[in-house]
Amino acid sequence: EAQVTQNPRYLITVTGKKLTVTCSQNMNHEYMSWYRQDPGLGLRQIYYSMNVEVTDKGDVPEGYKVSRKEKRNFPLILESPSPNQTSLYFCASSSPTTDSTDTQYFGPGTRLTVL
Amino acid sequence: AQTVTQSQPEMSVQEAETVTLSCTYDTSESDYYLFWYKQPPSRQMILVIRQEAYKQQNATENRFSVNFQKAAKSFSLKISDSQLGDAAMYFCAYRGISNFGNEKLTFGTGTRLTIIP
Repeated sequence: EAQVTQNPRYLITVTGKKLTVTCSQNMNHEYMSWYRQDPGLGLRQIYYSMNVEVTDKGDVPEGYKVSRKEKRNFPLILESPSPNQTSLYFCASSSPTTDSTDTQYFGPGTRLTVL
Repeated sequence: AQTVTQSQPEMSVQEAETVTLSCTYDTSESDYYLFWYKQPPSRQMILVIRQEAYKQQNATENRFSVNFQKAAKSFSLKISDSQLGDAAMYFCAYRGISNFGNEKLTFGTGTRLTIIP
């Protein structure tokens, strides 16, 4: 089954404690992206990756890091989380080269609370 | 920068009736994609329908259809024969084609749809 997985699904942590949210896709997609969803703001892009070892900032990258060492994985790293990073996070992937519909597939979301 | 506006934070409709959700966008590009996503209480983002700007014909998917007005930069979603399972947050989204390598979706703030039994 084609899917994007995220772990953990829920996380409560404290300010300053480094954490990683993993994202993995099994569709051999080149493009992956992270979004955060906040009430009244919709979803906003944090970082994106065109392919392995190619990443760039989205609209709200402050406080986040990413890496793309393998095509299937795109982890989101919060090295020193703060309460304003409390949010719902989504990973998404797509393949403009092989998918004529160019559809983005979203993971199930990760609810993060930073105390 | 592109922006997407959903001016209806909440809508409600009687079961089996028809409802239209509004979306407007701002862009200087001539070609782009528009999407409606559904987010039920499970929080999963589900693609409902997509429209390519170069296509004049409005997209339809079963009970879901759009009214795409390119000159007015309007992209409304019509849900016919509303069902209880349609209750969700609906997001309108835009994707340009000029940002090479970044398939960023620009989202509106969402419309929460309630279905009244």
